[in-house]
Amino acid sequence: GESVGLHLPTLSVQEGDNSIINCAYSNSASDYFIWYKQESGKGPQFIIDIRSNMDKRQGQRVTVLLNKTVKHLSLQIAATQPGDSAVYFCAENLNQAGTALIFGKGTTLSVSS
Amino acid sequence: DGGITQSPKYLFRKEGQNVTLSCEQNLNHDAMYWYRQDPGQGLRLIYYSQIVNDFQKGDIAEGYSVSREKKESFPLTVTSAQKNPTAFYLCASMSFLNQPQHFGDGTRLSIL
Repeated sequence: GESVGLHLPTLSVQEGDNSIINCAYSNSASDYFIWYKQESGKGPQFIIDIRSNMDKRQGQRVTVLLNKTVKHLSLQIAATQPGDSAVYFCAENLNQAGTALIFGKGTTLSVSS
Repeated sequence: DGGITQSPKYLFRKEGQNVTLSCEQNLNHDAMYWYRQDPGQGLRLIYYSQIVNDFQKGDIAEGYSVSREKKESFPLTVTSAQKNPTAFYLCASMSFLNQPQHFGDGTRLSIL
């Protein structure tokens, strides 16, 4: 079936580095994408989203890039901090009533100081 | 504060027993969702509801049931037919299409 996947299950960085987490999606009809952060024992927390009519969106210390040609999504975290350590999920949605988000398996980000 | 409340945080099920997980939201969202998360895995959709008194099966609905009698409540029952119920269960809600889903902090279900 169609699904969203992430390239790497784990990513280790040093505090202060920039982190890039990647995601490949397979459904070219998807038009809305979200990044979530999940800390241990908690529910996913919304980070940033992007619609298919955009290729870049910036938030506070985070940037999401969307490349529809190769169906690729990435999350960039600037000046990574120990508090950024968590599992990051990308999710996609079709703009159709009766559909739900499709989640990838997640990337575990570990930040060492 | 507006948000989604799941209870209990931890739940234990005996063999042959049905258990019900609670999900309440005060965000005035129309759509609500139940997901299952296994260790090291992503989220898999169990059931979702876009309006009161209506719900649809997700990818792994077998062994589960839901109801949506009120807009703010979407309880999930894990029945004895679900042979591998041990997992982390997450409830979410959303206002309308192409908006982020908001999640509760989950219920961890284990077998006694």
